Amino acid sequence: AQKVTQAQTEISVVEKEDVTLDCVYETRDTTYYLFWYKQPPSGELVFLIRRNSFDEQNEISGRYSWNFQKSTSSFNFTITASQVVDSAVYFCALKDGAQKLVFGQGTRLTINP
Amino acid sequence: KAGVTQTPRYLIKTRGQQVTLSCSPISGHRSVSWYQQTPGQGLQFLFEYFSETQRNKGNFPGRFSGRQFSNSRSEMNVSTLELGDSALYLCASSLFGQRSGANVLTFGAGSRLTVL
Repeated sequence: AQKVTQAQTEISVVEKEDVTLDCVYETRDTTYYLFWYKQPPSGELVFLIRRNSFDEQNEISGRYSWNFQKSTSSFNFTITASQVVDSAVYFCALKDGAQKLVFGQGTRLTINP
Repeated sequence: KAGVTQTPRYLIKTRGQQVTLSCSPISGHRSVSWYQQTPGQGLQFLFEYFSETQRNKGNFPGRFSGRQFSNSRSEMNVSTLELGDSALYLCASSLFGQRSGANVLTFGAGSRLTVL
């Protein structure tokens, strides 16, 4: 069965610190897709990144980077030099053969000035 | 390009009543998925519609139902409301259905339902 675990419920850091959000997933399928979404206070989920199971290359986009490791079934998200605007709830999600997107419980990130 | 529009944004109902929520997808998107978000259970999949057909359904009681119209707009209905139905209901649209693995869902801002 699909499962996504985000063990960190809440993280609070001071602005400009680096922060890593952990995500561990479970699936029996060899083909699957991993996602990160951001949910600001306004409520809508904003898509950040998608990775397929055959592409283990890490990705960097500005201050954001993602580390995908199949050996540990992890897809971690790092924000470098965090800013107050990064404060939000972040969700990791998995889609495999079950065809529906399954989310982790989310990590509430607070960046303090 | 307009995003996913959900109406109403906020509503208050009492136990036993029913509610209908509406979702207008991004123009050209044929798939609409619904999710329920609560503090205790997180984001849970309700159902997906593609070209007016229900493609997939989550583990919710029959009180939760939905439909999709020919213009891809979707509605979901909850009958005989219970206190536990209080939640943020999120709609997401995509060009292809969730069967397309690489498909990215674009979410609306949600409808926040409070049941008293």
